[in-house]
Amino acid sequence: DAGVIQSPRHEVTEMGQEVTLRCKPISGHNSLFWYRQTMMRGLELLIYFNNNVPIDDSGMPEDRFSAKMPNASFSTLKIQPSEPRDSAVYFCASSDWTSSYEQYFGPGTRLTVT
Amino acid sequence: SQKIEQNSEALNIQEGKTATLTCNYTNYSPAYLQWYRQDPGRGPVFLLLIRENEKEKRKERLKVTFDTTLKQSLFHITASQPADSATYLCRGGGADGLTFGKGTHLIIQP
Repeated sequence: DAGVIQSPRHEVTEMGQEVTLRCKPISGHNSLFWYRQTMMRGLELLIYFNNNVPIDDSGMPEDRFSAKMPNASFSTLKIQPSEPRDSAVYFCASSDWTSSYEQYFGPGTRLTVT
Repeated sequence: SQKIEQNSEALNIQEGKTATLTCNYTNYSPAYLQWYRQDPGRGPVFLLLIRENEKEKRKERLKVTFDTTLKQSLFHITASQPADSATYLCRGGGADGLTFGKGTHLIIQP
């Protein structure tokens, strides 16, 4: 298995631009999580989906952030418009919540907003 | 707000000794706690899970405890090796929500 796949691995953009991060979970997993990691705040849960349905989006910072999961094998996290304070590493993770609470993380996307 | 707290200072341990990391939780009642390892530039990797009704779990050189009275989990690495150097994250889960601590950076010195 290839594990959780994220793209791009690095993204540099200017303030005000739209950013789209992509994630392909492990095949067969039914839960998907989006996290943001910074030195100051650590690893923060933004939103998670069970069976493609958003369950908890209370961690989404504001309306500039949105996430979708149109099918079991793909999810996006969009920031529009982006701001310098959005600079962080964004991780996607997946799990099979029916059998285990173990989460498998992707390699992350390092976002820099200038 | 619910919090998972880990010692933010780096922990330096001599090779061969036991490393002990602490995870405390407040305003929170996790049904389980997990420990993850994170290396620079990589995503966290799951190590161990312990449920609230379990006192202790072991896996090879790793041991984790869960004390609901003290609201604390301890993570031990015995016979530590330089390859164990990494950041270790504690995560709580259950009906009370999912929360990660900021992690403790462990350095094993040869």
